[in-house]
Amino acid sequence: GAGVSQSPSNKVTEKGKDVELRCDPISGHTALYWYRQSLGQGLEFLIYFQGNSAPDKSGLPSDRFSAERTGGSVSTLTIQRTQQEDSAVYLCASSLSSQGISSGANVLTFGAGSRLTVL
Amino acid sequence: KQEVTQIPAALSVPEGENLVLNCSFTDSAIYNLQWFRQDPGKGLTSLLLIQSSQREQTSGRLNASLDKSSGRSTLYIAASQPGDSATYLCAVPSSNTGKLIFGQGTTLQVKP
Repeated sequence: GAGVSQSPSNKVTEKGKDVELRCDPISGHTALYWYRQSLGQGLEFLIYFQGNSAPDKSGLPSDRFSAERTGGSVSTLTIQRTQQEDSAVYLCASSLSSQGISSGANVLTFGAGSRLTVL
Repeated sequence: KQEVTQIPAALSVPEGENLVLNCSFTDSAIYNLQWFRQDPGKGLTSLLLIQSSQREQTSGRLNASLDKSSGRSTLYIAASQPGDSATYLCAVPSSNTGKLIFGQGTTLQVKP
């Protein structure tokens, strides 16, 4: 597609439920990133994929969080047994490659985000 | 551990004013620094990227400077317009892999 597409744009769920957030990157982009933006916390890195593998998942807050990517394209971020502190905007970004970021050769393009509210 | 700080957190100015947004980082060994704009309910749009070897980058009414030794960057907006109202974020990569460390942003309001 022309841009990074995320769904749903808004999700309200009850505490304890599982949620899935989807990211459809720009066609041809091999790298995909998940970030979380919380009030008072700023934007924090969660995980990134190069192809279907995740070399860095150090930002996932707990084992309730997991992500997968299939076919080198769409990625799903799953949050199990949601808690109120999971409420945030989850942003996805993609780039041509995860390498070469330091040279500015690969700039991240962000999606509009999925706003999650846990009641 | 790299930390990025932005001051002020919020700024309100009348249309036409020139203004400066500040970004500081604790580890000067950065590859580059990037400024983003975020409109309410939208994703991030990249404005300017300054390589570590550069001192500044310009795009239209925007000018970003970088002083690695002091751990600072500034975003200068000339002749501000109401359409400039948004949150501005700076970020540095923690490695060569696109994992960015963000500041908390400066929310700018330009009043007509």
